[in-house]
Amino acid sequence: NAGVTQTPKFQVLKTGQSMTLQCAQDMNHEYMSWYRQDPGMGLRLIHYSVGAGITDQGEVPNGYNVSRSTTEDFPLRLLSAAPSQTSVYFCASTPSGDLNYGYTFGSGTRLTVV
Amino acid sequence: QKEVEQDPGPLSVPEGAIVSLNCTYSNSAFQYFMWYRQYSRKGPELLMYTYSSGNKEDGRFTAQVDKSSKYISLFIRDSQPSDSATYLCAMSYNFNKFYFGSGTKLNVKP
Repeated sequence: NAGVTQTPKFQVLKTGQSMTLQCAQDMNHEYMSWYRQDPGMGLRLIHYSVGAGITDQGEVPNGYNVSRSTTEDFPLRLLSAAPSQTSVYFCASTPSGDLNYGYTFGSGTRLTVV
Repeated sequence: QKEVEQDPGPLSVPEGAIVSLNCTYSNSAFQYFMWYRQYSRKGPELLMYTYSSGNKEDGRFTAQVDKSSKYISLFIRDSQPSDSATYLCAMSYNFNKFYFGSGTKLNVKP
């Protein structure tokens, strides 16, 4: 059981470039989320999905797009990278509304925008 | 004002000490409360969860929720060096969107 897999683990982008952060889970979880973690700010929710074809915005959605065509995959797209998007990005998933599991997090993608 | 406030620490204690970690929040609608542990350069992992008010115990860990004071706590008994990590509180009103504290860094000295 791989859990939540994020790729790439590290990425350096130039300002204005676009890229997609990949997230896949093999646990058949309905709920998936993207967070960014910055020093002193904790984890902040970017976008989330409660099932295939359903997405919604979190606290800090500007500059990011998501789609959920399958239960397994939830990619995060940076449209035009900015230095303010330098952060560690975490993808997480959970069975729908099952408090016993909480969220399972991936190991993160460290993104630097220069 | 942030939804969830958490003292960033660092908190340094000797091995065997009782550790108290706390978060306060402003949204009275929060009803799901979780504690995560995060080791350096790793993703957070779920430690404990509670629904609404009350206490919950799991081994050396106890989670408390006081909704009247909008205050939650995590107690670690007989702390070990392996408990050294950052502890994050998280809470939600509908399980779709969780709001995290900024994390408290704990160092347990042998």
